[in-house]
Amino acid sequence: EAQVTQNPRYLITVTGKKLTVTCSQNMNHEYMSWYRQDPGLGLRQIYYSMNVEVTDKGDVPEGYKVSRKEKRNFPLILESPSPNQTSLYFCASSARQKWHEQYFGPGTRLTVT
Amino acid sequence: AQSVTQPDIHITVSEGASLELRCNYSYGATPYLFWYVQSPGQGLQLLLKYFSGDTLVQGIKGFEAEFKRSQSSFNLRKPSVHWSDAAEYFCAVGAVDSSYKLIFGSGTRLLVRP
Repeated sequence: EAQVTQNPRYLITVTGKKLTVTCSQNMNHEYMSWYRQDPGLGLRQIYYSMNVEVTDKGDVPEGYKVSRKEKRNFPLILESPSPNQTSLYFCASSARQKWHEQYFGPGTRLTVT
Repeated sequence: AQSVTQPDIHITVSEGASLELRCNYSYGATPYLFWYVQSPGQGLQLLLKYFSGDTLVQGIKGFEAEFKRSQSSFNLRKPSVHWSDAAEYFCAVGAVDSSYKLIFGSGTRLLVRP
């Protein structure tokens, strides 16, 4: 089954404790992206990647890092989480030629206390 | 700057009634336009898309949307709503340049009365 998986689905952590949210897709997609969803703001793009070793900032990259060492994986790293990063995070992927037709993962709800 | 406005935060309709969700966009040229649906606890799923050509596009689950250039709108419609359509709906604009960015509206939550 074609899918985008994220882990963990739920995470509660404390300020400053480094964490990684994993994202994996099995569709051989070149394009992958991370979004955060906050009430009243819709989805905002954090980072995206057009291919292995190619990443670029989205609209809200501050406080986040990403890496793309393998085509299928695109982890999101919070080196020192803060409460304003409490949010619902989505990973998405798509084929390069159809980057705008994105397949979304189920989401990771992160709470930073 | 590119932007997407969904003026209705919540909409409630009765099952069987028709539905129209509003979306207005701001973009310098004709953009790619999308509607996504997010069911409770789920990720987003693409409902339909508009790139060019026929301004009335059909999507999955019986939804359609109409692109109106003069109004900068891309409203989503369904003639008869089912209880399973209760979800949050997002309109999005895709840049046709090389920025590889989808810009989402803030969403409209649809509630369906039995």
